[in-house]
Amino acid sequence: GQSLEQPSEVTAVEGAIVQINCTYQTSGFYGLSWYQQHDGGAPTFLSYNGLDGLEETGRFSSFLSRSDSYGYLLLQELQMKDSASYFCAAPRGDGQNFVFGPGTRLSVLP
Amino acid sequence: EAQVTQNPRYLITVTGKKLTVTCSQNMNHEYMSWYRQDPGLGLRQIYYSMNVEVTDKGDVPEGYKVSRKEKRNFPLILESPSPNQTSLYFCASSLLAGYQETQYFGPGTRLLVL
Repeated sequence: GQSLEQPSEVTAVEGAIVQINCTYQTSGFYGLSWYQQHDGGAPTFLSYNGLDGLEETGRFSSFLSRSDSYGYLLLQELQMKDSASYFCAAPRGDGQNFVFGPGTRLSVLP
Repeated sequence: EAQVTQNPRYLITVTGKKLTVTCSQNMNHEYMSWYRQDPGLGLRQIYYSMNVEVTDKGDVPEGYKVSRKEKRNFPLILESPSPNQTSLYFCASSLLAGYQETQYFGPGTRLLVL
C-alpha cells in the first residue's frame, strides 16, 4: 500500500518562510509532486522531485530524501496569495495510479 | 486556450438517478483521470485512462464507471448515485502517464446526492 501524511494546518506571516512536510509509506517509490489549491479552485502543479535533493522554482522549493521517506515544500517571502492548501502526491507502479496526501492548509497573516 | 473542462459544475440529484459528468481536454493528452475530494481526505483517484479504450481502477472505483472512446473525452458515470457519493469531483489530464508528468485539473464538479 501507499500513504502520505502531512500536517493539517500551518500559519505564518507575510514575508516569512514556511516548510510543509510530507512523509510517505510505500511499497515502491517513484518521486513526489506538490500541488497548490486555492479555495474554490482546482489543484495546480508546483513541483516534482524524482531524485534526492532540492528543486527550486522561484520562491518555492521542494526537497526529497528517499532514505528518510520524507519530503517538504519550502515557501519563501510569503505573500497573502500563498494562502491555500498544499498537497503532496506520489505515483504507484509506473506512474499510472496516483495517491495524494490529505493536504496542508496554509494561512498567511498580515 | 489549453484546458480541461468539466460539466456540469454543480449538480443536485436524488438517490438512484443515473448521471454523467463530462470531461474534455484540448491538449491531446494521453492520460486522463478522475478524482474525488472530501474534507480531510485529499484527492482520491477513482479511475484513470492511459489512452483510448484503456481504463483502470484507482483507489475508490466502487459505484462509478468511465469510458474513453475518444482521446479528448473521459466521462464519469454514476449509474445509481448514493448520498456517500456527494463530493467534489475533478478530472485531470497529462501528456503521458508517468510519475514525472504534470497533471492539469479541470475546474471541478460539486455533486450533492439527496
